[in-house]
Amino acid sequence: GQSLEQPSEVTAVEGAIVQINCTYQTSGFYGLSWYQQHDGGAPTFLSYNGLDGLEETGRFSSFLSRSDSYGYLLLQELQMKDSASYFCAVRDGGSQGNLIFGKGTKLSVKP
Amino acid sequence: DGGITQSPKYLFRKEGQNVTLSCEQNLNHDAMYWYRQDPGQGLRLIYYSQIVNDFQKGDIAEGYSVSREKKESFPLTVTSAQKNPTAFYLCASSIASRGDYEQYFGPGTRLTVT
Repeated sequence: GQSLEQPSEVTAVEGAIVQINCTYQTSGFYGLSWYQQHDGGAPTFLSYNGLDGLEETGRFSSFLSRSDSYGYLLLQELQMKDSASYFCAVRDGGSQGNLIFGKGTKLSVKP
Repeated sequence: DGGITQSPKYLFRKEGQNVTLSCEQNLNHDAMYWYRQDPGQGLRLIYYSQIVNDFQKGDIAEGYSVSREKKESFPLTVTSAQKNPTAFYLCASSIASRGDYEQYFGPGTRLTVT
């Protein structure tokens, strides 16, 4: 089967650094995306890794290791507004348009 | 401003009724998608469309139907055949050249069927 595994909940304090891991097992792999979703809101795209390595976008970075079927999202200088759910998603390439989402990691940032 | 609109935000229906959820985008995106999200779960793909007058089933298409008569519009009908229709429904679109890894989402419609 196809699966993405990520922790269900993570708690951190304001100003800290937090890493959200994602391991995947899919029939094919074309890249790993990350999305943020605040409670009751729409997911918003954060980053994409098509190749191994680190991608940095401001306070957020994302990493991919294709050989380990593993990636992570790194959030630095945490702010209260970062409290949200974070989803990793894989396009497995089995059919155009099929993005497979993990169940999400709920991040709580405490003062 | 460009974006994706979904209406209504909340929808209530009686069991056995069909209901159509609206999704409109003015981003000039070719591809559009419908997802279902249940509490504590990720997004599951219902249907997607890469071009007008063409669409493909996703992982959980049973009990749903779509149409794509215009580039801007991709309505979803939840039929009475859908056994557990109560959920949060999200519509998304993407630029063909960027692939479907970067999708733009609408605000969602929360459907409750009793």
